[in-house]
Amino acid sequence: EAQVTQNPRYLITVTGKKLTVTCSQNMNHEYMSWYRQDPGLGLRQIYYSMNVEVTDKGDVPEGYKVSRKEKRNFPLILESPSPNQTSLYFCASSLYQGPGSEAFFGQGTRLTVV
Amino acid sequence: KQEVTQIPAALSVPEGENLVLNCSFTDSAIYNLQWFRQDPGKGLTSLLLIQSSQREQTSGRLNASLDKSSGRSTLYIAASQPGDSATYLCAVGAGGTSYGKLTFGQGTILTVHP
Repeated sequence: EAQVTQNPRYLITVTGKKLTVTCSQNMNHEYMSWYRQDPGLGLRQIYYSMNVEVTDKGDVPEGYKVSRKEKRNFPLILESPSPNQTSLYFCASSLYQGPGSEAFFGQGTRLTVV
Repeated sequence: KQEVTQIPAALSVPEGENLVLNCSFTDSAIYNLQWFRQDPGKGLTSLLLIQSSQREQTSGRLNASLDKSSGRSTLYIAASQPGDSATYLCAVGAGGTSYGKLTFGQGTILTVHP
């Protein structure tokens, strides 16, 4: 089944403790991205990657890192999480960046930083 | 900066009604528009993708239209069912300096009661 898989689905952590949220897609997509969803602010892009080893900042990149060593994986790293990073996170992928390319989303990771 | 607005914010209808959800965007330089469904605690499910060169797309009881020049899209749901209850999000995709970023509206919360 074609899908985007995120882990973990739920995470509670303490301020400053490094964490990684994994994202993997099995559709051989080139384009991957991370979004966060907050009440009243909607979904906003954190980082994106157009291909292996090519990543760049989205609208809200502060406090996050990403890497794209393999086509299928695009982990999101929070080096020193803070309470304002409490949010619902989504990983997305699409075949390429273009008009005919449909975006597929993972199930989401609900992160709470205390 | 692209802004996406969805009207209404919430909608409650009896089962069987036909309904229309609206989405407007401020910058017509998009390459596609995608409608998603989000169920509580779950990820985003893609419903329809309309490329900028297209006027509409249909899938089952769903029909989405796009008027790029006026910055509007509508999602028409025929013969609504309680299972259609969810939050519906529209998102516009753009190339150029947006590098494939999706800009989302705040969503319409739909409740279909028996």
